[in-house]
Amino acid sequence: DSGVTQTPKHLITATGQRVTLRCSPRSGDLSVYWYQQSLDQGLQFLIQYYNGEERAKGNILERFSAQQFPDLHSELNLSSLELGDSALYFCASSPHPGLDTDTQYFGPGTRLTVL
Amino acid sequence: DAKTTQPPSMDCAEGRAANLPCNHSTISGNEYVYWYRQIHSQGPQYIIHGLKNNETNEMASLIITEDRKSSTLILPHATLRDTAVYYCIVRVVGFDSWGKFQFGAGTQVVVTP
Repeated sequence: DSGVTQTPKHLITATGQRVTLRCSPRSGDLSVYWYQQSLDQGLQFLIQYYNGEERAKGNILERFSAQQFPDLHSELNLSSLELGDSALYFCASSPHPGLDTDTQYFGPGTRLTVL
Repeated sequence: DAKTTQPPSMDCAEGRAANLPCNHSTISGNEYVYWYRQIHSQGPQYIIHGLKNNETNEMASLIITEDRKSSTLILPHATLRDTAVYYCIVRVVGFDSWGKFQFGAGTQVVVTP
């Protein structure tokens, strides 16, 4: 158990819908990362927040957005869903992204199925 | 961040040491080598990381060559539960680095009885 929690575990929805994925980082971790893992793309970095501010963006679609709240939990919003958005979505957290001792701890993921 | 090259798959006998190679010939001086593994759709699990010295923890050992262009992850006594995809990642760590990981395809390790 990494200490990172994600809800829900599974999500089934239809094309065109909007969903929200939630992540609670490990206690004391200030940085949250979101990754997408689909069968044909592998693990892809989406976005990173540090203490409430966006710090880095990866291959995140404009239909996707995220935020980190004052209590440090984060939400990933996916809208106008397409079949290709079906994937595992992982959240990771880390305490100090700039330190050489830093590393990321991943949650169990949310499996999204778009029908 | 530097790219890495890993063999797509390898088998290992239970109880034997598993040696997983990784090539990172374009690594820069401030890039660390990280190893993660992912067991069947679970969240990736941190194993170990290092800069230039060999590192050891309760899970594994990391051997980095003197020129830092390659490394080897050693699982000393592989068990069936070590069957997973192992990812070697190089990443800049520093004050201005905000440290996203770029995962490659990894090595599928299968431990057999």
